[in-house]
This record gives sequence, structure tokens and C-alpha cells, in this order.
Amino acid sequence: DTEVTQTPKHLVMGMTNKKSLKCEQHMGHRAMYWYKQKAKKPPELMFVYSYEKLSINESVPSRFSPECPNSSLLNLHLHALQPEDSALYLCASSQLAGVAQETQYFGPGTRLLVL
Amino acid sequence: AQSVTQPDIHITVSEGASLELRCNYSYGATPYLFWYVQSPGQGLQLLLKYFSGDTLVQGIKGFEAEFKRSQSSFNLRKPSVHWSDAAEYFCAVVLTGNQFYFGTGTSLTVIP
Repeated sequence: DTEVTQTPKHLVMGMTNKKSLKCEQHMGHRAMYWYKQKAKKPPELMFVYSYEKLSINESVPSRFSPECPNSSLLNLHLHALQPEDSALYLCASSQLAGVAQETQYFGPGTRLLVL
Repeated sequence: AQSVTQPDIHITVSEGASLELRCNYSYGATPYLFWYVQSPGQGLQLLLKYFSGDTLVQGIKGFEAEFKRSQSSFNLRKPSVHWSDAAEYFCAVVLTGNQFYFGTGTSLTVIP
């Protein structure tokens, strides 16, 4: 099973709302990632978790707050977002972090619209 | 700085025709190379990857890619395209750690 699941598939939120994106994998992977993808652009790395600890934060604004409650789950908490944050948010996982040969497996994404 | 270039923003091919998508990287050493495909509104699916060894790599869905060190290229090919291959294709390079550097993508349209 090489499946990464993400919920919800779509999310519309206002700039004052608080919402969360959820990502789950049951492949025993110890590294999980959040990417942001704007239309017609490649994914941009936001955060990397390794063994449930945040290892990389690509200078992401604090209105995005990641959380890794256990090795299978990754959340992205959203608060006070801006319309320019509207994008497809992709979660990925790999067996390990920091190993170049590791394949990252991507979820289908959550399409976020901020009004 | 390292970079990944996909020179073709958009390619249109007829169903049944052959396909080649270009990917070039700039880095002194041989990186780890990946091709991913993304169907509209979907996540990315790994097609194939190259780390070392045989420079011709076979992937899923009938795709293959050839690593050419002299040209710093890792072009993706398919001998006969199917309508379901219409998607966005991303080349990615990993240098150290496993931080992916994605190319800008090539959008493939398949016409009947």
C-alpha cells in the first residue's frame, strides 16, 4: 500500500477562519512533508517532519502551523490566511528524511480557496 | 545554484505518436533524478527514478527515461501515447538530504 490520504479534498475559508488539513499514511514512513502548489507551478516545500519532529521550515508564515501527532498523521493548521494562500496543498511521505534516494509518495491534495 | 529546467511548457501530440519530454539539470555531481506525473486536480505519482547503474530506466505506464551525463539530461520517453497520458509532468532532482527541486513542469495534451 503506497497511499497517502488527505482530507478534506476541497476547503473554502474566510480570512478570519481557523481550519485544519489532515494527512495520513500507513506505510510506516518516518518522514512527512507539506507542499504548496499554485496553478501551473511546481510544488514548493513548506515543512518536513522527521520522526515526528519538525526538521525543515522553509520560512513559511506563522499563519500556517504544522503538527505531527504521531508517525502516521500530519496536520496543517490554518489561521488568518490571505487570498494569495489559495492553492493545492500536497502532503507526501517517505521512509526516511534526509536520504537522497528516498521516493516521496504524494497524496491527492487539498484544494484551498481563501475568500 | 542547482536548477532543474524543463524547456517545454506545453506539448501536444497525437494519440499513438511517440513522446519525449526534456529535463536538464545543472549540478556538478550526478543527482538523484525523478519523473512524476500529475493528473488534473490530483497529487503527484512517481513514474520512474534514477540513482545509478543502467542509464536507461523503465517506469510505470510504459514510460522510460535515459540519463545522459554528458548532456546533464534525463529525458522522459514513451513510444506510443494514450489519451490518458494527458497530464502535467514534473522532473525533480535531489542532491543531498532528500529535498526535491522540481522543474516547472510540462503540460501534455493528447489529441485523437
